[in-house]
Amino acid sequence: KAGVTQTPRYLIKTRGQQVTLSCSPISGHRSVSWYQQTPGQGLQFLFEYFSETQRNKGNFPGRFSGRQFSNSRSEMNVSTLELGDSALYLCASSLDRGQGGYTFGSGTRLTVV
Amino acid sequence: GENVEQHPSTLSVQEGDSAVIKCTYSDSASNYFPWYKQELGKGPQLIIDIRSNVGEKKDQRIAVTLNKTAKHFSLHITETQPEDSAVYFCAASYTGGFKTIFGAGTRLFVKA
Repeated sequence: KAGVTQTPRYLIKTRGQQVTLSCSPISGHRSVSWYQQTPGQGLQFLFEYFSETQRNKGNFPGRFSGRQFSNSRSEMNVSTLELGDSALYLCASSLDRGQGGYTFGSGTRLTVV
Repeated sequence: GENVEQHPSTLSVQEGDSAVIKCTYSDSASNYFPWYKQELGKGPQLIIDIRSNVGEKKDQRIAVTLNKTAKHFSLHITETQPEDSAVYFCAASYTGGFKTIFGAGTRLFVKA
């Protein structure tokens, strides 16, 4: 079966711009989580969605937002980009909120210049 | 707050030797402990997991142990091979928490 698909794979943006990243989970998976991965901070939890509802949010500023659609596809948005937002953004889908393990996508590499 | 500490950050072993990675979690409500392997250019991949009602689990060359009292869990890889070289992450979560906390990662090098 198809895995978790994230688009785009690479993105270069300028400070102050905004960006939208997309994630299509595994068919049948209703939980989608987003993580930011950086060399210094590791994997940091951004938010989790289940049936279009955000059920948990990490310690990130309000510039980071997300949503989930009725088909379980999810998007995350970062507004007013800063240099420190440069990172690999990973989407993970699961059947049951991560219990039973995540299936991760390959990520979107965002570079802010 | 919730935290998962992982050691060592880097581990270098000779092919055929064993590798052990250790993690400690802080949230006593944690009841699910997965391990992920991340290869270059890819997202993390689940390789083994353990639940809090089990002390040990084995799958071929990899095994995980859990000590709930001490809040420790470990990954053991035996007969290491060059293709085991990757970054390994431990993690912890609990039912109803809706998020998983990851350790900082261990970069494993297996020398042929």
